[in-house]
Amino acid sequence: NAGVMQNPRHLVRRRGQEARLRCSPMKGHSHVYWYRQLPEEGLKFMVYLQKENIIDESGMPKERFSAEFPKEGPSILRIQQVVRGDSAAYFCASSPSPGADTQYFGPGTRLTVL
Amino acid sequence: AQSVTQPDIHITVSEGASLELRCNYSYGATPYLFWYVQSPGQGLQLLLKYFSGDTLVQGIKGFEAEFKRSQSSFNLRKPSVHWSDAAEYFCAVGVYNTDKLIFGTGTRLQVFP
Repeated sequence: NAGVMQNPRHLVRRRGQEARLRCSPMKGHSHVYWYRQLPEEGLKFMVYLQKENIIDESGMPKERFSAEFPKEGPSILRIQQVVRGDSAAYFCASSPSPGADTQYFGPGTRLTVL
Repeated sequence: AQSVTQPDIHITVSEGASLELRCNYSYGATPYLFWYVQSPGQGLQLLLKYFSGDTLVQGIKGFEAEFKRSQSSFNLRKPSVHWSDAAEYFCAVGVYNTDKLIFGTGTRLQVFP
């Protein structure tokens, strides 16, 4: 059973461009979580999604950031008009059921904004 | 508000020495507690978790952690460190009835031969 997959692993964007980060959960998992890790900081919760629904987006910045988890395909974290402060590692986790006890993490996408 | 503090940013130990990584949390009730390890360029791997019951929890790779309610701590220990244990270690709190994990800022472990 493959683990959580994220791509790309590294992404470089110039200020003002869009960044799209993809997360494929483990097989059989329908719950996806996104976390952001800024340099020298711990991971911070951004958003929790189930298939076709955003359940909790309390950690998402109000502007430029959006997330989706369609019925088919990976979950997408989208950052519009990126700024240097968006440079970070973005981790996706998945679980087979709600709750914080069973989250399995992907390898992360490292976003660099020039 | 819930929070997790890992007071040691960087720890260096010799291979074969014992290890203790500190973690303190702030939470109004009994928390769910986790330790994760992150190797360079990798995702997070769960070492162990505490939900209830026995306060001494055994994990993978020879790690254990002890929940001490009176000290609001959940320190990670290993009796004899191996060079392959060099990594970053994160303590986290799971907030009951939500789906969030709250992480500490991590402790980077360096192991000398």
